[in-house]
Amino acid sequence: ETGVTQTPRHLVMGMTNKKSLKCEQHLGHNAMYWYKQSAKKPLELMFVYSLEERVENNSVPSRFSPECPNSSHLFLHLHTLQPEDSALYLCASSQESDRGAFFGQGTRLTVV
Amino acid sequence: QKEVEQDPGPLSVPEGAIVSLNCTYSNSAFQYFMWYRQYSRKGPELLMYTYSSGNKEDGRFTAQVDKSSKYISLFIRDSQPSDSATYLCAMSVVNQGGKLIFGQGTELSVKP
Repeated sequence: ETGVTQTPRHLVMGMTNKKSLKCEQHLGHNAMYWYKQSAKKPLELMFVYSLEERVENNSVPSRFSPECPNSSHLFLHLHTLQPEDSALYLCASSQESDRGAFFGQGTRLTVV
Repeated sequence: QKEVEQDPGPLSVPEGAIVSLNCTYSNSAFQYFMWYRQYSRKGPELLMYTYSSGNKEDGRFTAQVDKSSKYISLFIRDSQPSDSATYLCAMSVVNQGGKLIFGQGTELSVKP
């Protein structure tokens, strides 16, 4: 399998649940990212990991917790989310950070 | 003022038309410019990448960057129904850890 793979593709969770999103990249890249895409809004960068170290956290609420155990895997742990957190969560990876990132298909999250 | 402005459309054209998609930006430090295509329920797909000013051509697609005007364009020649998607512009500053700033996206529909 090639590219960036995200699981699950769809997730419905209650506000008291804890869930995790998973991302795996098969491109040999050294940087990985989480983006949030809400309707009618530009993609918002949430977290950046470079060489497995978090280098950016864009004022994201603590109910979102990223984890990068190695250069190929990235997780986003979710707990006590709000309905306004419903969105498409996209994982991306890149090798040379300024030459564009490659995205996964996203996880469509609905918080009820 | 948003860092990147993009007309959200929707834009509807007949098959075979030349399509022009545009973004303006305010940060003169942007050096890398990208265009992504996003089909419904899919992740963004990197179409074109350019550095600084100038033109870049790839098949039916041409990307232009005019840094003096802070304006970038994507032209699609001989548009096809399969080009129907949302087109996102993105840009970044050198050595910013892959932090891409996206436009809102333009929804394009090519009618047979």
